[in-house]
Amino acid sequence: DTAVSQTPKYLVTQMGNDKSIKCEQNLGHDTMYWYKQDSKKFLKIMFSYNNKELIINETVPNRFSPKSPDKAHLNLHINSLELGDSAVYFCASSPLGGAATDTQYFGPGTRLTVL
Amino acid sequence: EDKVVQSPLSLVVHEGDTVTLNCSYEVTNFRSLLWYKQEKKAPTFLFMLTSSGIEKKSGRLSSILDKKELSSILNITATQTGDSAIYLCAVARYGGSQGNLIFGKGTKLSVKP
Repeated sequence: DTAVSQTPKYLVTQMGNDKSIKCEQNLGHDTMYWYKQDSKKFLKIMFSYNNKELIINETVPNRFSPKSPDKAHLNLHINSLELGDSAVYFCASSPLGGAATDTQYFGPGTRLTVL
Repeated sequence: EDKVVQSPLSLVVHEGDTVTLNCSYEVTNFRSLLWYKQEKKAPTFLFMLTSSGIEKKSGRLSSILDKKELSSILNITATQTGDSAIYLCAVARYGGSQGNLIFGKGTKLSVKP
């Protein structure tokens, strides 16, 4: 079974639209993350979230918002999409507490293309 | 600003060769360094190195952390075409940004038959 899953795998949309990407993990982890990987393959943290704390990378535009209906899910909602939002978005999860938190397990990614 | 730098950016070798990938970091409140392998999709975890575990080995892959030099190497011996991937180095920190990995730009390894 897939440990961290994302839907959809591909998303093609027009500028200005609002879209969501879903993420689910069945590892029982407490913390989930969203990363953006640009065309040069540079992977950069956007958010980390557990049931107590949301940490936002200050460079992320407020058009991006994470939403967590429960511990196993962290969805990414994007408003007013722009061309520069085109990238691969990865969800990840990890246990909470100590060095174990550092070992993050990644989903398969969602390739977003904004036209 | 915290940063992680990997070198080389790309590398082409032939099957059977041994390769060494480098990662250096300038990070406040360092906690651990991780290596990931990314093929076509998700990065997959290889190793985590901390001050209490500065050398790890798994099959043909091994990694060493040098906390004095603020760097790490990933060695792959007897390379195979299946080793072709982007290898990512990441650093985790203590403190407010706990859990947020800082990634390097990766080393793209191509192993030719």
